[in-house]
Amino acid sequence: LAKTTQPISMDSYEGQEVNITCSHNNIATNDYITWYQQFPSQGPRFIIQGYKTKVTNEVASLFIPADRKSSTLSLPRVSLSDTAVYYCLVGGVYTGGFKTIFGAGTRLFVKA
Amino acid sequence: NAGVTQTPKFRVLKTGQSMTLLCAQDMNHEYMYWYRQDPGMGLRLIHYSVGEGTTAKGEVPDGYNVSRLKKQNFLLGLESAAPSQTSVYFCASTRTGMNTEAFFGQGTRLTVV
Repeated sequence: LAKTTQPISMDSYEGQEVNITCSHNNIATNDYITWYQQFPSQGPRFIIQGYKTKVTNEVASLFIPADRKSSTLSLPRVSLSDTAVYYCLVGGVYTGGFKTIFGAGTRLFVKA
Repeated sequence: NAGVTQTPKFRVLKTGQSMTLLCAQDMNHEYMYWYRQDPGMGLRLIHYSVGEGTTAKGEVPDGYNVSRLKKQNFLLGLESAAPSQTSVYFCASTRTGMNTEAFFGQGTRLTVV
């Protein structure tokens, strides 16, 4: 299973771009990379998902290099409400089962 | 749409007691999952289901049982609760596998004393 490694915490200021990198050296061919956001006392919320190259939606971008051993979540112009824990998830469906690995998460603190 | 609803939101159990956590989703999703989250850690998959009548083990299945008798419901059972099962439990559902967007419930905070 592909284990993921993320920074434990990051600080930023309102209006800045924040990039959070996740390392997943043992990612398998079937694995997709998904990022979730979690606020205290709430369940995680889907942000973005990708397999390779770059994916962009209305809230974030996801950059995945050709070797797929890492990925970077980019949050443009963060606000105070983006203070949360961000999880990198690597997983997929395999013969005989289904595997997901959540990273320990990155606690992002956005300051005014 | 309510999305994913977990019942109860909080519970305190004594060691050895049993209980069932209920997860209900109204999105007609095929896949459902139970996770646990401990302080400072990510979510760990306990059991999952790929459709009505099916269940499978995840990363940390010991001490838990599940059932998926109806497509919209996924039950997590603790037959004999232990302090090590003190955790926050999250249910999630996806249309197909985890390669699609997962919707999570609000969580159940369980304390075993």
